[in-house]
Amino acid sequence: GQNIDQPTEMTATEGAIVQINCTYQTSGFNGLFWYQQHAGEAPTFLSYNVLDGLEEKGRFSSFLSRSKGYSYLLLKELQMKDSASYLCVHEGYGQNFVFGPGTRLSVLP
Amino acid sequence: DTEVTQTPKHLVMGMTNKKSLKCEQHMGHRAMYWYKQKAKKPPELMFVYSYEKLSINESVPSRFSPECPNSSLLNLHLHALQPEDSALYLCASSQEPPSGGAYEQFFGPGTRLTVL
Repeated sequence: GQNIDQPTEMTATEGAIVQINCTYQTSGFNGLFWYQQHAGEAPTFLSYNVLDGLEEKGRFSSFLSRSKGYSYLLLKELQMKDSASYLCVHEGYGQNFVFGPGTRLSVLP
Repeated sequence: DTEVTQTPKHLVMGMTNKKSLKCEQHMGHRAMYWYKQKAKKPPELMFVYSYEKLSINESVPSRFSPECPNSSLLNLHLHALQPEDSALYLCASSQEPPSGGAYEQFFGPGTRLTVL
């Protein structure tokens, strides 16, 4: 089975840095994705990790430690438009995708 | 064209109705997906089609019946639904099926389904 945990809600200030953690306990691992979903909209892809380490993409970075079953998404220079839900998605064996519960981020002025 | 389209945007149906949701992509993607999303919950995978063949069925009730007529189209046929099936139904596609590669999924805007 698979169990994915994320904080339910986070609040941060415009211009700040925020780290959203994701932990997982799974029976197989093929990769870990992060998606952003604004209220009432479809999810959009942010990042992908399959090897340990940090992947950087502009203001967004994602880190993975397979041995610890742990990932985080780092958002720098927060903007108001970053207020959204952030979904950690685990790809297991057998073409199985499991979305974590999502973290609702509120960016305050 | 980097878009996944879904029709209709909204659908209201009774428990005895038969309806279909449609999804289309023209990116040449070889995998397509149906997800169900309840309010304030993450998407739940329902079906995956790889190269037009159903490759996974996450124990979804038989009142949901997927169909992939060709590589660009994906349908979800609905029959005898229950009020608890009311949700946002999302379609997605990826260049290749899940296989340990960085094949991001492109999501459509969804169909908001209400079952009365």
